[in-house]
Amino acid sequence: QQQVKQSPQSLIVQKGGISIINCAYENTAFDYFPWYQQFPGKGPALLIAIRPDVSEKKEGRFTISFNKSAKQFSLHIMDSQPGDSATYFCAAPGAGTALIFGKGTTLSVSS
Amino acid sequence: EAGVAQSPRYKIIEKRQSVAFWCNPISGHATLYWYQQILGQGPKLLIQFQNNGVVDDSQLPKDRFSAERLKGVDSTLKIQPAKLEDSAVYLCASSPVGPSYEQYFGPGTRLTVT
Repeated sequence: QQQVKQSPQSLIVQKGGISIINCAYENTAFDYFPWYQQFPGKGPALLIAIRPDVSEKKEGRFTISFNKSAKQFSLHIMDSQPGDSATYFCAAPGAGTALIFGKGTTLSVSS
Repeated sequence: EAGVAQSPRYKIIEKRQSVAFWCNPISGHATLYWYQQILGQGPKLLIQFQNNGVVDDSQLPKDRFSAERLKGVDSTLKIQPAKLEDSAVYLCASSPVGPSYEQYFGPGTRLTVT
């Protein structure tokens, strides 16, 4: 089954800094690569997603960079804020439309 | 727009007991998913419904887990008998018709098996 490998497991960034989370996948036949954000006690929520024919997508302070040849995509959070402290999951489509999630990265932004 | 509703939010049971979780998806969403999220890991799909039918249940431990989605709306997930390793958060998600990476998750049910 498709594997999605996410790193780092945890990340501490100072307020105003850049947070970078990486994800590697195996299969190439996907339509989208999403990132989900999860706060404690809540379900994951879609943050941003990218199509494999695009190398970069930016929404506000969040940017996805996609490297098709390396089978990797990463999430960059610019000007990180304490409110960004959460767990972030990359995902790739599995069978049907279900998602296969990475193990998650816990981000802590210190003020 | 109301989100995905789940109940109960928390449940504590002893091993070998049974438990059921309920999910009400977003109105009009044809696809419903149940995921299991063990502490410190990402959600793992248990079962996916498209309207009334099962699309994928390959990772559902069918000897103890069952799920149904009557009338293509609400869904229930049952565990009988529960094991200690079933302690996790059970997340329900829904998405509109067609292939979709945009899934809407409920708050989950935190199950503790003692």
